[in-house]
Amino acid sequence: KQEVTQIPAALSVPEGENLVLNCSFTDSAIYNLQWFRQDPGKGLTSLLLIQSSQREQTSGRLNASLDKSSGRSTLYIAASQPGDSATYLCAVPVSGGYQKVTFGTGTKLQVIP
Amino acid sequence: NAGVTQTPKFQVLKTGQSMTLQCAQDMNHNSMYWYRQDPGMGLRLIYYSASEGTTDKGEVPNGYNVSRLNKREFSLRLESAAPSQTSVYFCASSHRGEYGYTFGSGTRLTVV
Repeated sequence: KQEVTQIPAALSVPEGENLVLNCSFTDSAIYNLQWFRQDPGKGLTSLLLIQSSQREQTSGRLNASLDKSSGRSTLYIAASQPGDSATYLCAVPVSGGYQKVTFGTGTKLQVIP
Repeated sequence: NAGVTQTPKFQVLKTGQSMTLQCAQDMNHNSMYWYRQDPGMGLRLIYYSASEGTTDKGEVPNGYNVSRLNKREFSLRLESAAPSQTSVYFCASSHRGEYGYTFGSGTRLTVV
């Protein structure tokens, strides 16, 4: 059974700081991994999708990396802004396929002006 | 804008009442999903439909039924609502999961 862990559960940083969010998973036989952000009371917004053949993906100030062999993905946020405050979730396919995913419980980020 | 549309956005039910949550996507995705999100429990899969005409149970299916009406629409029904079903419900779709998931904005359900 795929288990996904996100550490830390909460993070508070001053504006402008670079930061790294972590996602660990137990079954490395995955096809892809997706990072989402969720604002309070809102749905999930897709940030980045990394296919298993890729090592990283970039979008603006966001960079996500994937190391299947170690069962880890990191989301790097450069020059953080108050608007980055949200909960960040990673989604990993369940063991043996990609029709279903398992979500981590998320990292709640607060960027202080 | 293309995406996943859920209705209603908010609902209050009395214990024992029934209701159907509606979900529609216009991205021609094959697969559709219903999740619930509870504090401290994260997102849990209720039911999913890998393709039109098929449905399968997820992690927490008890108390729910689903219908894949056509390729666009996937509904979730609570036959006899219970306070334990108070939650935020999200619908999602994907093209077989290969290209990631798109989520709706959610339905906040309270059962009293």
